[in-house]
Amino acid sequence: GAGVSQSPSNKVTEKGKDVELRCDPISGHTALYWYRQSLGQGLEFLIYFQGNSAPDKSGLPSDRFSAERTGGSVSTLTIQRTQQEDSAVYLCASRNPDRGAVTLHFGNGTRLTVT
Amino acid sequence: GQQVMQIPQYQHVQEGEDFTTYCNSSTTLSNIQWYKQRPGGHPVFLIQLVKSGEVKKQKRLTFQFGEAKKNSSLHITATQTTDVGTYFCAFRNTGNQFYFGTGTSLTVIP
Repeated sequence: GAGVSQSPSNKVTEKGKDVELRCDPISGHTALYWYRQSLGQGLEFLIYFQGNSAPDKSGLPSDRFSAERTGGSVSTLTIQRTQQEDSAVYLCASRNPDRGAVTLHFGNGTRLTVT
Repeated sequence: GQQVMQIPQYQHVQEGEDFTTYCNSSTTLSNIQWYKQRPGGHPVFLIQLVKSGEVKKQKRLTFQFGEAKKNSSLHITATQTTDVGTYFCAFRNTGNQFYFGTGTSLTVIP
């Protein structure tokens, strides 16, 4: 089946604008994760959704960042009043914990550039 | 917070040479995973280790989990240009969060 789909693949925005990044996980995967990867850096955990449970937001760097997951499927990461330091690749991953799967499946990411 | 450190950050090798990256944690881990990210691509799962002293092989790749379950290594024998990329270790905690190491970027010189 299809993999994790993210859109847009690239986004250029002006400082101070809001942006929305979308993630469509693999069908049936109830766990969804957002990570941020700055140029040449590792993966920074942002937020984790599992089914209908309250999301784990412990990785969000500031209150300008928020995320939703509607209907247990598609997720949207919103960054308000973007800053230049928000420039990075935002990766989404999904997992099917219901089958005991331990593997994260990543999308191709959204490259965000704040000018 | 929980974190794992990886060394080296960068490694350049001649094609055919061996390569090793190390992952170290200050706390005992219940599991360790390895992912590979090709340039311009996304991380792809390679393997998971869960047992103390466990060793697993995938063709030219050898993965080890330390006896104390605080460190792990990935060794590539006779590197090829297709091995180019960044290798990340990661672990899943009891809250099902996945934490990634800082990564080792491998360049293979033909």
